[in-house]
Amino acid sequence: EAQVTQNPRYLITVTGKKLTVTCSQNMNHEYMSWYRQDPGLGLRQIYYSMNVEVTDKGDVPEGYKVSRKEKRNFPLILESPSPNQTSLYFCASSPGTRNTGELFFGEGSRLTVL
Amino acid sequence: GEDVEQSLFLSVREGDSSVINCTYTDSSSTYLYWYKQEPGAGLQLLTYIFSNMDMKQDQRLTVLLNKKDKHLSLRIADTQTGDSAIYFCAESNAGNMLTFGGGTRLMVKP
Repeated sequence: EAQVTQNPRYLITVTGKKLTVTCSQNMNHEYMSWYRQDPGLGLRQIYYSMNVEVTDKGDVPEGYKVSRKEKRNFPLILESPSPNQTSLYFCASSPGTRNTGELFFGEGSRLTVL
Repeated sequence: GEDVEQSLFLSVREGDSSVINCTYTDSSSTYLYWYKQEPGAGLQLLTYIFSNMDMKQDQRLTVLLNKKDKHLSLRIADTQTGDSAIYFCAESNAGNMLTFGGGTRLMVKP
């Protein structure tokens, strides 16, 4: 089944404790992206990747890192989480630039930073 | 930068039509999208419209685009309780780079 898989789905952590949210897609998509969803603000893009070893900042990259060493994986790293990073995070993927831009989303990872 | 605006909330009775509205600012938008988010799930593409189209119909869904006013709407005919969800409008002018609105929560009352 074609899907985008995120882990963990739920996490409660404390300020400053490094964490990684993994994202994996099995559709051989070139494009992958991370969003955070906050009430009333919709989805805001954190980082995106056009292909392996190609990543770029989105609208709200501060406090986050990403890597794209393999096509299928695009982990989101919070080196020193802070309470303002409490949010619902979505990973998404897409075949590439020559398409309608339809994004395929994971089910989300709800992160709470105390 | 680009901006996409939606009202936060819409309530309708089962069987009525729902109309969710969206405005955007980027005049070079190529595609405009409607995504649906059910509780506890990620977003799923409902439908999209290319910017040179005025209307697109897909079963119970009708998308209207007024490019002059930069206004997009989604009409759901014969709304059912299963249509209760958050609906996101989005636009792009460069393939995968989508800008999303804040989402409209649709509540369908029996």
